[in-house]
Order: sequence, then structure tokens, then C-alpha cells
Amino acid sequence: DGGITQSPKYLFRKEGQNVTLSCEQNLNHDAMYWYRQDPGQGLRLIYYSQIVNDFQKGDIAEGYSVSREKKESFPLTVTSAQKNPTAFYLCASSIIGGMNEQFFGPGTRLTVL
Amino acid sequence: GQQLNQSPQSMFIQEGEDVSMNCTSSSIFNTWLWYKQDPGEGPVLLIALYKAGELTSNGRLTAQFGITRKDSFLNISASIPSDVGIYFCAGQPDHYGGATNKLIFGTGTLLAVQP
Repeated sequence: DGGITQSPKYLFRKEGQNVTLSCEQNLNHDAMYWYRQDPGQGLRLIYYSQIVNDFQKGDIAEGYSVSREKKESFPLTVTSAQKNPTAFYLCASSIIGGMNEQFFGPGTRLTVL
Repeated sequence: GQQLNQSPQSMFIQEGEDVSMNCTSSSIFNTWLWYKQDPGEGPVLLIALYKAGELTSNGRLTAQFGITRKDSFLNISASIPSDVGIYFCAGQPDHYGGATNKLIFGTGTLLAVQP
């Protein structure tokens, strides 16, 4: 089955630790995205990538880092510099050009203790 | 970053009622999408709209791309308990020029359906 997987579903970390969230897709999509969702709010773009080895900052990139070494994978690292990292993180992918439809993974809930 | 104005913020209805929600922007959009998110899950695409005035249905759901290109509407007819969730609009501003597939999201409408 084609789709987007995110792991783990739930993640707990101590304050001050870096943590990496996984996102993998087998849809053959060129573009991938990371969003942050806080309770009662919409989705805010953290980073996006339209091609391997290239990525751009979104609206709230501070305290986060990404890499895009393979087309299928777009891991997100939440660093200790992120002031309020507890949130629900969503990964999405899309084709480039044409339709603007993005397809989402199941999300990872990160809780920093 | 910009977020779309989505209303209402929440709706509490009885099973069988029809539901309407809308999304507005201060600028012209070339794409409107509607997603549904169940608790603790990722959003699922319901309907995609690409032309002003376009009216598209998906089962009991109907969405429209506003004529002004600054708004979109989603209607759900004869609601059922499994319609519960958060509905998000999303769109792409025309000034992005097609160079990216980035989207701007609305703040969501929480729908609760009482059996």
C-alpha cells in the first residue's frame, strides 16, 4: 500500500534533549513537508523540501532542523533550542506542480517533560 | 505566517442535521482543499477545488470554490456520528505562482454530532 508513515506515534523526551521524528513515503512524491499542530490551532509549516538535498524554512523553523538525503525520507530533529516543543507533528507529501494536494501521515505526538 | 479565517470555530449538532462551514482569505487563491482530521490522526483530504465557481461533491459532502476566489464553503448533509472531527480548509494563494505546492491552512472547525 502506498502512503506516508511516521514513527513513533508517541514520543517522550526530557527537556534539553534533541529528538528526531521519522517520516517515510512510498508515493514517489518529490515534495515533503513538516507541520506543527497545537491544540485548537491550525497547521503551521516548519520546513519543506521539493527535491533531494534541498529544503526551505517554513513559518516556524527556529529550533528545528531537517535533512533530505533520500526522496522517500524527510526526518525532523527537534533541538533543545526549541522553546516549546510539546506538540503534534505532521508530515505530508505532494507532487510538484499541477495539483496542490498534500497527503498526510498519522502524526507523532511529542511530549517534553 | 498567514492562516485562513475559518468559521465557525465549533459546531454542536444533532444527527441528521445539515452543516455549513466556510473559509475566507484577503487574497486570491488558485486552489481550495478541505480536510478532515480525526482525534490523534493526520488530516485526510476530502475535496479539492481548482476553478472559481467549481462545485464538487464527495458523498454527503459538497464544497464550492467561491466566485471571488477569496473563499470556499463546505456543506455536509444529513450528518452522522462518524462525521465528528476537525475540518480544515487549505489553499494556495495565487501569488505563489505555481512555483511551490505550499498551502496555507485554516484554523479548523470542530464538529460534534449528537446521536
